[in-house]
Amino acid sequence: DTEVTQTPKHLVMGMTNKKSLKCEQHMGHRAMYWYKQKAKKPPELMFVYSYEKLSINESVPSRFSPECPNSSLLNLHLHALQPEDSALYLCASSQDRDGGYTEAFFGQGTRLTVV
Amino acid sequence: GDSVTQMEGPVTLSEEAFLTINCTYTATGYPSLFWYVQYPGEGLQLLLKATKADDKGSNKGFEATYRKETTSFHLEKGSVQVSDSAVYFCALGPYGNNRLAFGKGNQVVVIP
Repeated sequence: DTEVTQTPKHLVMGMTNKKSLKCEQHMGHRAMYWYKQKAKKPPELMFVYSYEKLSINESVPSRFSPECPNSSLLNLHLHALQPEDSALYLCASSQDRDGGYTEAFFGQGTRLTVV
Repeated sequence: GDSVTQMEGPVTLSEEAFLTINCTYTATGYPSLFWYVQYPGEGLQLLLKATKADDKGSNKGFEATYRKETTSFHLEKGSVQVSDSAVYFCALGPYGNNRLAFGKGNQVVVIP
């Protein structure tokens, strides 16, 4: 199973709402990622978790709050977003064995629209 | 820092034509190189990879060779189909604590 599953696939939220994006992988990968992708652009890294600990925060605004409850799950909590936060949010995972690296597997993404 | 450069602009070609997308990289270490493909409305799928110099990655008729002397990883396919229409991203990693560096991507449109 080389699948990363993201839910929901689409989300429309108001600027005062609180919502969460979910990501799950069962490949035993130890590194998990959140990316943001705008139309016709490459993905931009937001957060990296390694062995369930936050290892990279690319200066993301605090209205985005990541959480890694266990090695298979990754959440992104959203609060008080702005319309410019509308984008495709991608989750990815890769294997991190003793500092090693294998290719990243991506989910299908959540298409987020902030109104 | 580590980076990837892809040729500018969309690529439009006819079915059964030869496809080349150029990718060059700058890296301080010895990263792996990847091509990812993104179909409309979907996430990124790994198309192929190469982990060291002179390795050739191949998948679904696509090929790319890791050339250290020219710091390149050009993607090629001998005969494209309409179903190959997608955005193609060249990437390298890891660097800086499991980061991936992406090129800007190329939109490929194959006309019947």
